[in-house]
Amino acid sequence: NAGVTQTPKFQVLKTGQSMTLQCAQDMNHNSMYWYRQDPGMGLRLIYYSASEGTTDKGEVPNGYNVSRLNKREFSLRLESAAPSQTSVYFCASSERGKGSPLHFGNGTRLTVT
Amino acid sequence: AQRVTQPEKLLSVFKGAPVELKCNYSYSGSPELFWYVQYSRQRLQLLLRHISRESIKGFTADLNKGETSFHLKKPFAQEEDSAMYYCALSGLSVSARQLTFGSGTQLTVLP
Repeated sequence: NAGVTQTPKFQVLKTGQSMTLQCAQDMNHNSMYWYRQDPGMGLRLIYYSASEGTTDKGEVPNGYNVSRLNKREFSLRLESAAPSQTSVYFCASSERGKGSPLHFGNGTRLTVT
Repeated sequence: AQRVTQPEKLLSVFKGAPVELKCNYSYSGSPELFWYVQYSRQRLQLLLRHISRESIKGFTADLNKGETSFHLKKPFAQEEDSAMYYCALSGLSVSARQLTFGSGTQLTVLP
């Protein structure tokens, strides 16, 4: 039982390049989330998916797109990376969404030069 | 809007001393409050939630609705408590189902 698995662990991009961060969970959770973690700002929600087939914007969605491919997988895409997107990205899942504890992946450290 | 404030970015205490990590929130309804912890080189994980009213690893947190606070306390800190701690809030309305995190407090327990 791996929980929440994120790939890759590290990535360096040049400004303007695109990439997709992958996330998969094996806990049969309905809800999945993408957060970014920046020093002094805590975790900020980028996008979330309350259930398979639905996605919603969080606090900082600009510059990102997401796909809830199926119940297990929730990917985050940067179409044209910018230095401001240098951050640590965390995927998380929860059973019901509202009020349920989150289970986090190990994170992806992204640097955009 | 919901907001979580953790006023201390860094907190250092000596082993065996009491520790309190402060958390204040802003929310118009009745929220659910959580503490998450991230130990070095480990993933973020749930420490405790207010509705459980339990003690985890010696930590407790009481929801004070009058002061809109959910401070995390431990009477005798241990070196293994050194970590980043995040307070988080979940609103009870459908539109506020996602968690809002504070900016975090880095706790260092000195030997």
